[in-house]
Amino acid sequence: DTAVSQTPKYLVTQMGNDKSIKCEQNLGHDTMYWYKQDSKKFLKIMFSYNNKELIINETVPNRFSPKSPDKAHLNLHINSLELGDSAVYFCASSQYIGDGNEQFFGPGTRLTVL
Amino acid sequence: TQLLEQSPQFLSIQEGENLTVYCNSSSVFSSLQWYRQEPGEGPVLLVTVVTGGEVKKLKRLTFQFGDARKDSSLHITAAQPGDTGLYLCAGVRGSYIPTFGRGTSLIVHP
Repeated sequence: DTAVSQTPKYLVTQMGNDKSIKCEQNLGHDTMYWYKQDSKKFLKIMFSYNNKELIINETVPNRFSPKSPDKAHLNLHINSLELGDSAVYFCASSQYIGDGNEQFFGPGTRLTVL
Repeated sequence: TQLLEQSPQFLSIQEGENLTVYCNSSSVFSSLQWYRQEPGEGPVLLVTVVTGGEVKKLKRLTFQFGDARKDSSLHITAAQPGDTGLYLCAGVRGSYIPTFGRGTSLIVHP
């Protein structure tokens, strides 16, 4: 049983399009995250939600909009895609937000913008 | 400025060799985590260290948190091909959101 799942696994699209990535966790966790991993493998936090409420919003263009319909889901919608958005996007969850808490990562969505 | 510096960036060794990966910062962390990421997958937590000077062992992997809680090391004894992957350290401060280093890419050749 997959703990954190993301769809799609691969996404290839043209510049200017709008796309969404879905994430679901079946661990009963309160907190979910979106990370972006660039071509040099640098993993950077984008957003964090706790109990469906946005608690962390790093410096991310407002073309990126997360949506959490319930505690188990955190989707990422991206408007007007740009070449620089090409990366691997990881969803993660943790039991709560707190020190030393383990994050469980999904398998990633590789986004390629042409 | 990168908060957490990892070294080396790349490491290619033969099976059976020992290696050490470093994670350094000028900032104090309340805890530090090590993750391993295999190609095409998300990172998986290996260990969390919270006390300055703490040493934790996970089979052939030894993790140490610096006394001042600014740095950490990961030592692998007798590396195996299955140890191949990207090793990421992540430090946690007040916001509770981990800040990741850029990773050490390890390849162990049979």
